[in-house]
Amino acid sequence: GAVVSQHPSRVICKSGTSVKIECRSLDFQATTMFWYRQFPKKSLMLMATSNEGSKATYEQGVEKDKFLINHASLTLSTLTVTSAHPEDSSFYICSARDSAARGVNTEAFFGQGTRLTVV
Amino acid sequence: SQKIEQNSEALNIQEGKTATLTCNYTNYSPAYLQWYRQDPGRGPVFLLLIRENEKEKRKERLKVTFDTTLKQSLFHITASQPADSATYLCALGGREYGNKLVFGAGTILRVKS
Repeated sequence: GAVVSQHPSRVICKSGTSVKIECRSLDFQATTMFWYRQFPKKSLMLMATSNEGSKATYEQGVEKDKFLINHASLTLSTLTVTSAHPEDSSFYICSARDSAARGVNTEAFFGQGTRLTVV
Repeated sequence: SQKIEQNSEALNIQEGKTATLTCNYTNYSPAYLQWYRQDPGRGPVFLLLIRENEKEKRKERLKVTFDTTLKQSLFHITASQPADSATYLCALGGREYGNKLVFGAGTILRVKS
């Protein structure tokens, strides 16, 4: 099946630094990718929709200057957490759908997730 | 506002029994509903999709039903195995949400041998 690779799986950074998370679709193209944040025992909260070649669409309450998203190619989207603080510590997950698949209600493929800890 | 509810308490069942998980939603009319499995520290994995005009979908030991009148989906795992232990998430999409998915908090399933 289709694979989405997310890197790194774990990262610890100091408060005030920036962290970049990569999300790659390995065997399909994705014009749109999604970035989620998940707290323990909570649902996935959509942060933003990453659009290839254009600006990302952020959900209400998500700071676009804090969470920078770049979708430079049909197989790569990156999320950069800028000036990280301990409250940014969380599990971040990306997902993508195969652009070649028919219709919009197709399955989403998820990355392995990134556990970010800000100390 | 839209709300998706899944059993907040873990479901503990004996191996070989059928597990039934519930997903209820309010203030929303999704065009489709999906079920995902999530293991600790991992991203969700797609299991089944059911559309609003479908009542039931099956895949091997899995069965999902979709009642748009009750605004409810039931997810069944027959002949459950310890390897089925995980968190199961329902996700709704379509209509005003376009290609986005809105997730429930998930239900933890524990299958004991």
